[in-house]
Parts: sequence; structure tokens; C-alpha cells
Amino acid sequence: DADVTQTPRNRITKTGKRIMLECSQTKGHDRMYWYRQDPGLGLRLIYYSFDVKDINKGEISDGYSVSRQAQAKFSLSLESAIPNQTALYFCATSDLGQSTDTQYFGPGTRLTVL
Amino acid sequence: GENVEQHPSTLSVQEGDSAVIKCTYSDSASNYFPWYKQELGKRPQLIIDIRSNVGEKKDQRIAVTLNKTAKHFSLHITETQPEDSAVYFCAASKSDGNKLVFGAGTILRVKS
Repeated sequence: DADVTQTPRNRITKTGKRIMLECSQTKGHDRMYWYRQDPGLGLRLIYYSFDVKDINKGEISDGYSVSRQAQAKFSLSLESAIPNQTALYFCATSDLGQSTDTQYFGPGTRLTVL
Repeated sequence: GENVEQHPSTLSVQEGDSAVIKCTYSDSASNYFPWYKQELGKRPQLIIDIRSNVGEKKDQRIAVTLNKTAKHFSLHITETQPEDSAVYFCAASKSDGNKLVFGAGTILRVKS
């Protein structure tokens, strides 16, 4: 779905570095989410936001922070990256006003921490 | 909090056969159960969902059934085709927050 984009698509970094992953959407959705995907563990929620002034922790928020700069932008930061944060990260959006709860995912960012 | 278990972790079927993936959830307050399909190297995409006021929902070759009493729901794919090969994720949520809790995923391989 080209309406949800993520940058960068791939990133290799070193332990201790600060990393920011960015997500933008043109769907006009209110709700945005950050997930990480690890083999055998499915998708786990890191943080979510229901509007610009709303930030909520998910099940695995330790070591991460987020910023909702505008309705269309939701950034995920790793203040000091560690190797076990190596994973595939997905941003997703959904629409508060719709009868469906469908979440639309971005293409993913593959992060490797050495 | 909610916990979703998904079985099997891998499933191989012959083209044309049916495939069934089952999920169980722990929170009886959950009332929304979507299924996402993730093809290799792609993003997850919703293929079908069901709410707790419905016992079954069909969309062409795909169906989902829900047993609220037993707290489990299943994805049924009939007449499988090679393009059905993917990872399938179930999820559950309560409508108040739309926070999805995902299962660990099932790798489906359809052999031609």
C-alpha cells in the first residue's frame, strides 16, 4: 500500500548509536502504530498513537521512544541501539472513523545492529 | 493482557487441498479477530476479519469461524493455490483501543 511509507528501508548500525525510523502516511488516518517482527514471534506492538497529542506504550516499549510530529508522521527512535533490536520494523495506520479496524502496514524497515 | 496462540507454525498442503489454521485467545473481552497474510518480503495485509457477534464469515475461498465459548477462531482456505503460500497471522483486540495482539504466525506452503 503506497499510502504508508517508511524510511529507511534498510539500515545497518553499530551498538550504542541513535537511530530514527520514520513513517509517513497519506491516508488521512488518525491512528498510527509501530511494530517489530521477529521470526517465530509474530508482530509485537512497540508504541501507538491515536492523534497528534496522544502517545501510548505497547507491549515492548523499553529501549524505544516515539514522536508524532503531525497527523501524517510517526517516528520511532532507538536512543542507544543494541543487537537484540535487530528486527523488521513495521509502521501501520488505521482510521478512527471507519466501521472497520483494518490496519494498513508500511513496507517495513530492516534494522541490523552490530 | 491478551495472549494469542497460533497453530500450526508451519503447514504444507498439496495444491487443491484445504488448509486450516487455528488461534486461541485468552481475554474474553476481545471482540475483533482479523487475519493478515504476509507474502515473502512484503507487508502484512488484511485478508478477512470477524467480530464476536458473528460465528462465521466467508470470502470466496477463505472463511473464518469463531467459537467465543472456547475462545478460538480458525482460518479455512479451500482449493489452495501456489499463490496462497505465505505467512498468515491471526490477531485479537478489544474495540476500545484497536490494539491488535498477534499470533506468532503460520508458514503455509502449497505444493504444486
